[in-house]
Amino acid sequence: NAGVTQTPKFRILKIGQSMTLQCAQDMNHNYMYWYRQDPGMGLKLIYYSVGAGITDKGEVPNGYNVSRSTTEDFPLRLELAAPSQTSVYFCASSYDQELNTEAFFGQGTRLTVV
Amino acid sequence: EDQVTQSPEALRLQEGESSSLNCSYTVSGLRGLFWYRQDPGKGPEFLFTLYSAGEEKEKERLKATLTKKESFLHITAPKPEDSATYLCAVQAEGNKLVFGAGTILRVKS
Repeated sequence: NAGVTQTPKFRILKIGQSMTLQCAQDMNHNYMYWYRQDPGMGLKLIYYSVGAGITDKGEVPNGYNVSRSTTEDFPLRLELAAPSQTSVYFCASSYDQELNTEAFFGQGTRLTVV
Repeated sequence: EDQVTQSPEALRLQEGESSSLNCSYTVSGLRGLFWYRQDPGKGPEFLFTLYSAGEEKEKERLKATLTKKESFLHITAPKPEDSATYLCAVQAEGNKLVFGAGTILRVKS
């Protein structure tokens, strides 16, 4: 029972480089989310998706892009990495947000931009 | 703007010393309040959902309560394994979760 799987766990990027953070869930959840967590701050929502083919911006979407071609996968793309994007990124999923079901989180990706 | 404030930022307890963590919120149309536990280097792990003022939920040494403006996470006779960061989040209209910064709890034996 894998739950929510994120890869990679760690990554160092140079300014201006691009990368994709992978997220997959095997619980057949409709809702998926990307958050970033900075020291001493709460989790900030970057993007979310309510189902395959549907995505929407969260609080801090600038500098990121997402796609949702399948129910299982929700990759997060950084096109031109900047030091401000140094953070820990968490992917989460939930069955149905309308029913207030809890979100399950992945283990996180620690990204450093130098 | 929806806001969640948690206090204290950090709390040190001796094993067996009961205490409470606070989560105060301002949100239009609260649909649910969530408590999560986060261990170092891990993702948040779900603990409780509370929906309406007066509601209480318990799990082992933890008890969560909700009023119209705040929630408390009561920890009774904590053990070192209860050491973690405890996160509070509210679900408002539009279904997005807004998180507080968390309370770092350390329990010493």
